[in-house]
Amino acid sequence: KNQVEQSPQSLIILEGKNCTLQCNYTVSPFSNLRWYKQDTGRGPVSLTIMTFSENTKSNGRYTATLDADTKQSSLHITASQLSDSASYICVVTAPYSSASKIIFGSGTRLSIRP
Amino acid sequence: DGGITQSPKYLFRKEGQNVTLSCEQNLNHDAMYWYRQDPGQGLRLIYYSQIVNDFQKGDIAEGYSVSREKKESFPLTVTSAQKNPTAFYLCASSIGHLGDYSGALEQFFGPGTRLTVL
Repeated sequence: KNQVEQSPQSLIILEGKNCTLQCNYTVSPFSNLRWYKQDTGRGPVSLTIMTFSENTKSNGRYTATLDADTKQSSLHITASQLSDSASYICVVTAPYSSASKIIFGSGTRLSIRP
Repeated sequence: DGGITQSPKYLFRKEGQNVTLSCEQNLNHDAMYWYRQDPGQGLRLIYYSQIVNDFQKGDIAEGYSVSREKKESFPLTVTSAQKNPTAFYLCASSIGHLGDYSGALEQFFGPGTRLTVL
């Protein structure tokens, strides 16, 4: 069964600190992996999209990495700000799967404390 | 402004009622999707449409219905057959269906509708 697992479920850090969120997946083969930021009560907003051949993608203070061999991705947030408080969702697309082709992780809830 | 909109933001339903959630996009996207989000769970696909007048069931379609009469609009009806409809509903769109592309196709989400059954 294709799955996307995220860790930790929740994380609290102090403003200005860095953090790394993890995403492990069993989807194979897959075409791309995305990270979304979702503020409470809002729709997800795309942060990065990586195809299976890419290792890293940056968007400002957000850097995503991908290791297709170990089926792991991480999202690194540098110099966190209060506005980074949100849920971060990992999504894997598997176009050649007979099952659900877009698989969402359950997210990591990040809280930034002043 | 190009984008995807949903209305209403909050919706309350009495048991036994059908309600319809609106989703409109002006991005000229062919594909549209409806997802349901429950606390602690990933988004689950209800229905998707790849083109006007065509739509397919997702993973949790029971108790829901959709229509796609116009490219811009993809309304979702939550029927009385849906036993546990209280959730956050998200509509999304993309140029083509994500499941059919091997590249980095972008999927845009609306702001969501929170449905509560009284």
